[in-house]
This record gives sequence, C-alpha cells and structure tokens, in this order.
Amino acid sequence: NAGVTQTPKFRILKIGQSMTLQCAQDMNHNYMYWYRQDPGMGLKLIYYSVGAGITDKGEVPNGYNVSRSTTEDFPLRLELAAPSQTSVYFCASSYGQGKGGYTFGSGTRLTVV
Amino acid sequence: AQKVTQAQTEISVVEKEDVTLDCVYETRDTTYYLFWYKQPPSGELVFLIRRNSFDEQNEISGRYSWNFQKSTSSFNFTITASQVVDSAVYFCALSEMEDSSYKLIFGSGTRLLVRP
Repeated sequence: NAGVTQTPKFRILKIGQSMTLQCAQDMNHNYMYWYRQDPGMGLKLIYYSVGAGITDKGEVPNGYNVSRSTTEDFPLRLELAAPSQTSVYFCASSYGQGKGGYTFGSGTRLTVV
Repeated sequence: AQKVTQAQTEISVVEKEDVTLDCVYETRDTTYYLFWYKQPPSGELVFLIRRNSFDEQNEISGRYSWNFQKSTSSFNFTITASQVVDSAVYFCALSEMEDSSYKLIFGSGTRLLVRP
C-alpha cells in the first residue's frame, strides 16, 4: 500500500537543464495534482489531471509540462530549468467529488543553480 | 474567487500553553470541504482533519479541536496543552465541490514554535 510515490527526493539542476519529476499512485485515483512550495510559503497548484489523457493548468504552470497516459502516473517535466524553479514539489491524488481526502507524496526538493 | 487566509505568519508559545491557529476562507460555493495539514520540519504533509460545509459540529481529537463557523467563514484550530512536538507549519486548505478539478487551495501557513 504505497500511496503516492515521488522520485527523486532531491535533485540539483544547472540552469538550462531539463528533468522529469515522477509521480505514481496505486489507489486508482482519478484526480492528480502537482504543487510547488517555495520557502516559507504555501502550496501553489502547477497542473492537475482529472483522468488519463486529461490535463489542465493550475495557478503557476509556466516552465512546466505534464502528461497523464495512465491512471497511475503523472510526471512533471521541467524544460530549461531556471533558479525561480527552486522549490519543493508535491504530487497528490484524490478520488475527487468529496470521496475521501487527498494523499500527498513525500515531495521532491529541487535546487537550480 | 476562492481564497484561504491564515493571517498569523508565526506563533511562539511555551510548552503547555493553549494556542489557536486562525483560518478564514472565501468561496461562492455552497458545497465545499475544509482541511488542516501539518508540515513538520521533515517536510511531509500530514493530514489532520477534513470538514464538509454542511457539518458545523466542532470536533475534538485528543489535544486538537476545530471550530467551524460558516457565519464568519472561519475554521480555526486549537491545540490544548501544546508540546514541543507540535512545532510545525500548519496549513488550512479549501476544496470546492462545484469546481470540477476538486483542487485544494492552500493558505500561506502558520509556523508554530513550541518552546520547552
């Protein structure tokens, strides 16, 4: 019963590099979300998905891309990393429609230098 | 638009004191959920409580209690007899059922420091 698994836990990127943050859930949740948490701040929504093949932008989508080819996986792609993307990234999943709560991954701490 | 406000940026108390963390929300929906999460220094998000908009009963769980008042759009969290292990950042969050994404909107958090 793994819940939401995020990899890697830590990563240092150089400016201009690209990477993919992985997120997988084993609860058959339709809804998945990516949030970022800047130091001393709350969580802001980057992208979300309401089911396989369907994604949409959240509050801060610039510089990121997502895909949802399966129910289980929701990777977040950073293209041309910038120092402003230094943050902790959380993936979450939910049944939606008020059925139960939200399950969060343990986070990925990303530093862009 | 939906919004969650946690006006207290940081609170410092001495162990065994009671402390209340404030949360005020804005929503046009009639059906919504409110949440509290704890983020200890280790960084993970720990779910504390979920409350739906039709249930205004206060809830108590051990040293934790929550006061939900729709009339003032508030969902405050009280820790009784605080302990050092309660030191963390606490987030209040809102999810609207009439928003098809069911996304969570977070407040900016309140950092609680409990001193021995």
